[in-house]
Amino acid sequence: GENVEQHPSTLSVQEGDSAVIKCTYSDSASNYFPWYKQELGKRPQLIIDIRSNVGEKKDQRIAVTLNKTAKHFSLHITETQPEDSAVYFCATLDDYKLSFGAGTTVTVRA
Amino acid sequence: EAQVTQNPRYLITVTGKKLTVTCSQNMNHEYMSWYRQDPGLGLRQIYYSMNVEVTDKGDVPEGYKVSRKEKRNFPLILESPSPNQTSLYFCASSPRLVRGFNTGELFFGEGSRLTVL
Repeated sequence: GENVEQHPSTLSVQEGDSAVIKCTYSDSASNYFPWYKQELGKRPQLIIDIRSNVGEKKDQRIAVTLNKTAKHFSLHITETQPEDSAVYFCATLDDYKLSFGAGTTVTVRA
Repeated sequence: EAQVTQNPRYLITVTGKKLTVTCSQNMNHEYMSWYRQDPGLGLRQIYYSMNVEVTDKGDVPEGYKVSRKEKRNFPLILESPSPNQTSLYFCASSPRLVRGFNTGELFFGEGSRLTVL
């Protein structure tokens, strides 16, 4: 299956600063790249996704960028707030399944 | 309310005692899947189903079985649980999940925390 590497595994940021999480993948045929957020004790939920015909997508304070040539995509969170503290997972679509990265635990310090 | 429902939410069992975790969705989704979540390993797919009577292995299928007799239900069966199957399990569904075609958001259940002693 697809190999998705996610970095960093943990990220601590000061409230108001930006957070960036990067994922790399191996299958050049991948064309769908979602990001899921999992708050403590909760289920993962989709926060943003991007398809391969788009280089960047933005939704308020979060944005995703995609570099198909280099096979990596990144999540950017600006003006971080305490409610952004969670585990974030990137994923790629491999034929009929989503392959997830190992997750990044983001902690926003007040 | 659109949802994916898993039961039980918490279970402590002993090695070798067969158990079933049920999953049901009320969104008429074609695609259903089971994941296990372990610290540092993210979400790993166990089995998935494209539609009724169509199932296939994910990345970590050993020790698990599934069935898809009805569109809404996708139970996960552990015939002879072992301690290495202690984990947090998520069922998920999507309208359709096929590379190159329309893709849908994956909706997760609330999770089932299983401990095998």
